[in-house]
Amino acid sequence: DVKVTQSSRYLVKRTGEKVFLECVQDMDHENMFWYRQDPGLGLRLIYFSYDVKMKEKGDIPEGYSVSREKKERFSLILESASTNQTSMYLCASSWTQGIGELFFGEGSRLTVL
Amino acid sequence: TQLLEQSPQFLSIQEGENLTVYCNSSSVFSSLQWYRQEPGEGPVLLVTVVTGGEVKKLKRLTFQFGDARKDSSLHITAAQPGDTGLYLCARRTGTASKLTFGTGTRLQVTL
Repeated sequence: DVKVTQSSRYLVKRTGEKVFLECVQDMDHENMFWYRQDPGLGLRLIYFSYDVKMKEKGDIPEGYSVSREKKERFSLILESASTNQTSMYLCASSWTQGIGELFFGEGSRLTVL
Repeated sequence: TQLLEQSPQFLSIQEGENLTVYCNSSSVFSSLQWYRQEPGEGPVLLVTVVTGGEVKKLKRLTFQFGDARKDSSLHITAAQPGDTGLYLCARRTGTASKLTFGTGTRLQVTL
């Protein structure tokens, strides 16, 4: 089975703190994604990566950065957390070929106080 | 910009009832996927529809892709509590591997 693992299910941080969200996949997928999920807004793409050290901005990249040093690992970084970044963060991965099915982790719920 | 609108936003029904949820776009899309997200989990793919007018069935779930490929529907027959969850449609945008998700329909099925 494909497994996408997010390092933290729940985090509580203070405004201005630097936050790291880690994601690891075990299926040798080329593509990895970070989405943010808020009620009534569905999933919004923050960043994605289609190869090691490659990244592209999604629809809402402001306030976020990413790192992909190894194929299996994709990190989301909040340089200076703000209260409006309180949300559920979902990591996903996929193969480039095929139907483009996304395999998701269980999510990381971040609260910024 | 949200390209996919889903309706209704919330739906609460009793076990055994039928329901339909909708996914609409103002532009044509090449393919559409439906995902279900159960509480505390990430979304899981249910189906991919590719051809205009296509109908796919997955047990009690029937998925339809509109003839003009601008809309899709999901019909559930005789809903069960296990169908409870958030239903999301998603379309490919730009780079082939990117998906844009709809706003979601939250379904609750009670006994």
